[in-house]
Amino acid sequence: DADVTQTPRNRITKTGKRIMLECSQTKGHDRMYWYRQDPGLGLRLIYYSFDVKDINKGEISDGYSVSRQAQAKFSLSLESAIPNQTALYFCATSEQGDGYTFGSGTRLTVV
Amino acid sequence: RKEVEQDPGPFNVPEGATVAFNCTYSNSASQSFFWYRQDCRKEPKLLMSVYSSGNEDGRFTAQLNRASQYISLLIRDSKLSDSATYLCVVNMRGGSYIPTFGRGTSLIVHP
Repeated sequence: DADVTQTPRNRITKTGKRIMLECSQTKGHDRMYWYRQDPGLGLRLIYYSFDVKDINKGEISDGYSVSRQAQAKFSLSLESAIPNQTALYFCATSEQGDGYTFGSGTRLTVV
Repeated sequence: RKEVEQDPGPFNVPEGATVAFNCTYSNSASQSFFWYRQDCRKEPKLLMSVYSSGNEDGRFTAQLNRASQYISLLIRDSKLSDSATYLCVVNMRGGSYIPTFGRGTSLIVHP
């Protein structure tokens, strides 16, 4: 099994729909992150969490919300999807001071 | 000035060439440094950590220059399979810091 698992791998949804992206990890890391990646823009941080009771906004949190259900689970929700949220979404984990381990990504298309 | 800057490239080199990328960082308190490789539409994967004394792994050499605040990645004897985007990541130990990504440098190795 992968260290960081994201579901679904691909999703097409309609404008205005609510959608949840799931992430679970077996690394035992406290820190978890959600990024989106768009061509030419690199990875942009949406939300991050340092432990179960800690949630922080990243640079592009508008239109998104998160839930840290357990140390191993961190989900991202799009409350009302819009086409410019079409992107590749990555979940990642890390330990303090160390690098990341990424999930395989969720390719989301909003039509 | 961006916290972490990379030349986006693309670097277009023939097989067998030696190529080097730099990544500059703005925060002199940065403590840990990494190079990641990302293939098209895949998740970034850790290529190597960058230590103060430098780090070599086969054809890949990473170095840190604290005085000038940059890290470098040297690839010798380039292979077609080295074609990818290379991301640098800079982190600080302790506290509430989160790793910071560069936008990546694209490498294309051609026959």
